[in-house]
Amino acid sequence: NAGVTQTPKFRVLKTGQSMTLLCAQDMNHEYMYWYRQDPGMGLRLIHYSVGEGTTAKGEVPDGYNVSRLKKQNFLLGLESAAPSQTSVYFCASTGTNYNEQFFGPGTRLTVL
Amino acid sequence: GESVGLHLPTLSVQEGDNSIINCAYSNSASDYFIWYKQESGKGPQFIIDIRSNMDKRQGQRVTVLLNKTVKHLSLQIAATQPGDSAVYFCAESPPDTGRRALTFGSGTRLQVQP
Repeated sequence: NAGVTQTPKFRVLKTGQSMTLLCAQDMNHEYMYWYRQDPGMGLRLIHYSVGEGTTAKGEVPDGYNVSRLKKQNFLLGLESAAPSQTSVYFCASTGTNYNEQFFGPGTRLTVL
Repeated sequence: GESVGLHLPTLSVQEGDNSIINCAYSNSASDYFIWYKQESGKGPQFIIDIRSNMDKRQGQRVTVLLNKTVKHLSLQIAATQPGDSAVYFCAESPPDTGRRALTFGSGTRLQVQP
């Protein structure tokens, strides 16, 4: 099993550009999450999903949108990127033990 | 992806010594408290969790202690090894998301000296 995979691994955007980050998991997990990680700030939850077709806002949802059209995929979109969105983005999923989240390797995004 | 922060608190220990990493949590209503480990260039990895009605739980080479009176959580690592070098995050499971989402702390870097 590949676990949780993220695409792309790195990306550089100009202010105002849009992009979509893709997260995929092959563990048949119901719950999926998107976090951002900034130096010294730990992980902050952007959006999460408790099942196919459902999404919910986390701690820092502004400027991001998400979709969960298929159970195995969770997409994070930036419609108009801003330098404040420069960060490392992690996707995670979890099964029956909500406390044990399985994380992907991360996407490093730089917005110029 | 990298998690290394420039200003993370750092704990430096000698190989073979025991390590104690501390965390102060904020929400008294959280049901669970969890520790994660993040190695350089990787995503965080679950270590151990403890329910709020417990004060101690042991795993393989790790022990988590919970002091609800002072809202304090600690992770003890026995016989620390070079592979334990990483950033350690505590997390809590607040009730407002039905335990489905976690709130993470800012992390502590553990450096193991050979």
